[in-house]
Amino acid sequence: DTGVSQDPRHKITKRGQNVTFRCDPISEHNRLYWYRQTLGQGPEFLTYFQNEAQLEKSRLLSDRFSAERPKGSFSTLEIQRTEQGDSAMYLCASSPPRDRGVYGYTFGSGTRLTVV
Amino acid sequence: AQSVTQPDIHITVSEGASLELRCNYSYGATPYLFWYVQSPGQGLQLLLKYFSGDTLVQGIKGFEAEFKRSQSSFNLRKPSVHWSDAAEYFCAVGAGTASKLTFGTGTRLQVTL
Repeated sequence: DTGVSQDPRHKITKRGQNVTFRCDPISEHNRLYWYRQTLGQGPEFLTYFQNEAQLEKSRLLSDRFSAERPKGSFSTLEIQRTEQGDSAMYLCASSPPRDRGVYGYTFGSGTRLTVV
Repeated sequence: AQSVTQPDIHITVSEGASLELRCNYSYGATPYLFWYVQSPGQGLQLLLKYFSGDTLVQGIKGFEAEFKRSQSSFNLRKPSVHWSDAAEYFCAVGAGTASKLTFGTGTRLQVTL
């Protein structure tokens, strides 16, 4: 297992276009998280899944954002009608079930989105 | 609501000097505390974590941190900094081993030779 994979690494898009990012978690991890990190800031929580269920969404996740995790495996984050303010690094992380009793929170390398 | 404050935006130290990065948290219950390091354009790497027990925790790359409940602090230290330690450092708090994390704004470490 090579860790959490995110694709693409970089995305440049024109304002108003839709973009979709993919995250492949560590295979035995049932929890998957999305964070957004703007320049000079720490990551901010967007949403998380336990298996295929989306259990929590931040108020940062406007109606233009949607995340899915079909079959509890990989996840996609879609941004519709992108705005310049969406430019950021989008980070994905995964973790094993709580009952494992060990800390296994692992981040991917992120997708850097630039909206021009 | 939980929050993290990292008072120092930018710190410069000489190679071989000691380092302390400050972190203060706000959380209503027993916090789960973390330090992460991020190199430019990269994801986050866990340096160390505190869940319970000994308040002085050892991490990777020679880093350690001390949890002080009375001061709501979890400062990161390293006795002798190497040029390769130059990066952004983030303190984070969570409610459990697999809960969402709340991060501070980070401290950028510059190391001079």
